[in-house]
Amino acid sequence: GQQVMQIPQYQHVQEGEDFTTYCNSSTTLSNIQWYKQRPGGHPVFLIQLVKSGEVKKQKRLTFQFGEAKKNSSLHITATQTTDVGTYFCAGRVGGNQFYFGTGTSLTVIP
Amino acid sequence: SAVISQKPSRDICQRGTSLTIQCQVDSQVTMMFWYRQQPGQSLTLIATANQGSEATYESGFVIDKFPISRPNLTFSTLTVSNMSPEDSSIYLCSVRTGSSGELFFGEGSRLTVL
Repeated sequence: GQQVMQIPQYQHVQEGEDFTTYCNSSTTLSNIQWYKQRPGGHPVFLIQLVKSGEVKKQKRLTFQFGEAKKNSSLHITATQTTDVGTYFCAGRVGGNQFYFGTGTSLTVIP
Repeated sequence: SAVISQKPSRDICQRGTSLTIQCQVDSQVTMMFWYRQQPGQSLTLIATANQGSEATYESGFVIDKFPISRPNLTFSTLTVSNMSPEDSSIYLCSVRTGSSGELFFGEGSRLTVL
């Protein structure tokens, strides 16, 4: 089945430090989406990447899709306590289904 | 966007019983999915709920264990049959819509099987 791995599994950072999570798929993806899940909440959509090598920015968040469309990354600059949560990538191969990565749980220490 | 209501929000069930989870969407959507999320884990796709036809199940999930109904474009149910403690999880209904085809999720149904 579809395998989407993320590293690291957990990350603790001091407020103001940067954070990066990496997403790797066993197969080439049609597109990839990123979601954030706060503790006790449900996943909330952040962004979608479609093109090979695509880079998108949302304020302090930078998303990148690899050239081979098998990996992606999310980088947060100068983390804030509001960034706390678990970040998931979700890849689509060809159908309508998205397969979620293993997730990276971010803790921000004030 | 889409607003999704799930019921029940949580339940505690006895081993061997079945529970049906309902998912109501505030608009007509073609694509509806059921995911499972065990505590501290990622989301695992159970099946795609197809309107007017049988659901499409992912590897490791079968209709006898997780029967799904999709009578129209705004409603679906997922039944967890003959439950065991291993079925304790959060079950999430999701629809795919919006300009980016993003997934919107219900609040989830937290199931505990004793």
